[in-house]
Amino acid sequence: AQSVAQPEDQVNVAEGNPLTVKCTYSVSGNPYLFWYVQYPNRGLQFLLKYITGDNLVKGSYGFEAEFNKSQTSFHLKKPSALVSDSALYFCAVRDMGSGTYKYIFGTGTRLKVLA
Amino acid sequence: DGGITQSPKYLFRKEGQNVTLSCEQNLNHDAMYWYRQDPGQGLRLIYYSQIVNDFQKGDIAEGYSVSREKKESFPLTVTSAQKNPTAFYLCASSTLGTSGVSYEQYFGPGTRLTVT
Repeated sequence: AQSVAQPEDQVNVAEGNPLTVKCTYSVSGNPYLFWYVQYPNRGLQFLLKYITGDNLVKGSYGFEAEFNKSQTSFHLKKPSALVSDSALYFCAVRDMGSGTYKYIFGTGTRLKVLA
Repeated sequence: DGGITQSPKYLFRKEGQNVTLSCEQNLNHDAMYWYRQDPGQGLRLIYYSQIVNDFQKGDIAEGYSVSREKKESFPLTVTSAQKNPTAFYLCASSTLGTSGVSYEQYFGPGTRLTVT
C-alpha cells in the first residue's frame, strides 16, 4: 500500500542554522514526490516536486529536497532557516504505478525556527 | 487572478443539518479534490474528480457527497450521516498531462466547519 511517513511531529532549529524535515515513502511504482507548506488557518502552498531527473530539486523560498531512491526518502532542506519559515510542512506522494489520481500525504511536521 | 476559492471561510451548523461547501477554480484544471484535515492526522481524501460528471470516493467518503457539473466547480455536501463533521476542509485542483499524469496540486484557503 502507498504511504508517506514524516517521523518528526516537530522540528526546532535556531535562526540561521540549516534545517531538515524528513520524509520517507512507500509506493509500488515510480513516485512523484511533493512538499507543501501550510500557515495557520490557510491552505497548502506548493514548495517543490520531484518527478524525474536530478535527485536534488530546488523550490520556493530557498528550500530544496533530495530524492534518494535506495532509502525511499525525500527530505526537505534549507541552508539557513528564517523565523518566517515556521509553519506546518507536508510531504506527499503520488504512486505512478497505482493507476489513480490520488495523492497520499504525511501527517505533517511542525517547524519552529527560534530567533 | 487565477486560483481556487472556497466559501465560506467559517461555517457553523447544528447537528443533523446538511451543509454544502463551495469550491471554484479558474485554473482550467481537470482534476479536483476534497480533503479533510484534523489535528495530527494530516490530510485525508474525501472525493476526487478527473472530469466533469465523474468522481471517485476517497478514503473517508462516508457521510459526504459531491457533484461535478462544471469543470470549474466541485461542491462538497457534508450530510447528517457524517458522525464527526467538525474539521478544516480543503479543496485542491491539478492539471492532467497528455498522458493523464497530474502534477502538483493547488489548494484553496479552506473552510472551517463547526457542528454543534
